[in-house]
Amino acid sequence: DAGVTQSPTHLIKTRGQHVTLRCSPISGHKSVSWYQQVLGQGPQFIFQYYEKEERGRGNFPDRFSARQFPNYSSELNVNALLLGDSALYLCASSLGGGLIGELFFGEGSRLTVL
Amino acid sequence: AQKITQTQPGMFVQEKEAVTLDCTYDTSDPSYGLFWYKQPSSGEMIFLIYQGSYDQQNATEGRYSLNFQKARKSANLVISASQLGDSAMYFCAMSSWNRDDKIIFGKGTRLHILP
Repeated sequence: DAGVTQSPTHLIKTRGQHVTLRCSPISGHKSVSWYQQVLGQGPQFIFQYYEKEERGRGNFPDRFSARQFPNYSSELNVNALLLGDSALYLCASSLGGGLIGELFFGEGSRLTVL
Repeated sequence: AQKITQTQPGMFVQEKEAVTLDCTYDTSDPSYGLFWYKQPSSGEMIFLIYQGSYDQQNATEGRYSLNFQKARKSANLVISASQLGDSAMYFCAMSSWNRDDKIIFGKGTRLHILP
């Protein structure tokens, strides 16, 4: 069975641009969460979606938004990119609606903002 | 506020030895879960072990065990009989059963297993 898949794996943008990152959860998983991991730090929670509804939000500006589709895949959008947005963006899926229990992570999308 | 602290930025351990990775946490929530994840150089986070705050016994998963000391708010990961493939970043994480569904991670410990 396929694990969590993320696209693109690497991308380069310039300041002020917009980026869309995509995530497909494991089949049967209804929850998707997003994380930002800056080099040398642990992942920072951005959003969690369950059954297409936002269930949790981390301390990120409104430039960050996300949504979940009927097939449970998800998109993370970041507007007006800043240099500090350069990071590895991780997506995780899980069966239930909370963040308790095992999260299955993808390999991430590495964003570089120039 | 919730907080996870990992005080060991890096560790070097001889192959086949046991290793303990430290994690302390802070929360005012009575119900919470503690996790350990492994992150190889590929970037993917791999779930290792989970401990619930009300679990009476320490969690074990194969070579991994979690030394949970609730009064001291510590959740150390113990890896027995370390292997070269254990070399990676290790993150301790916590989530709570409250209105805000969030999970927080520590800064991680880079473990190097020496042959």
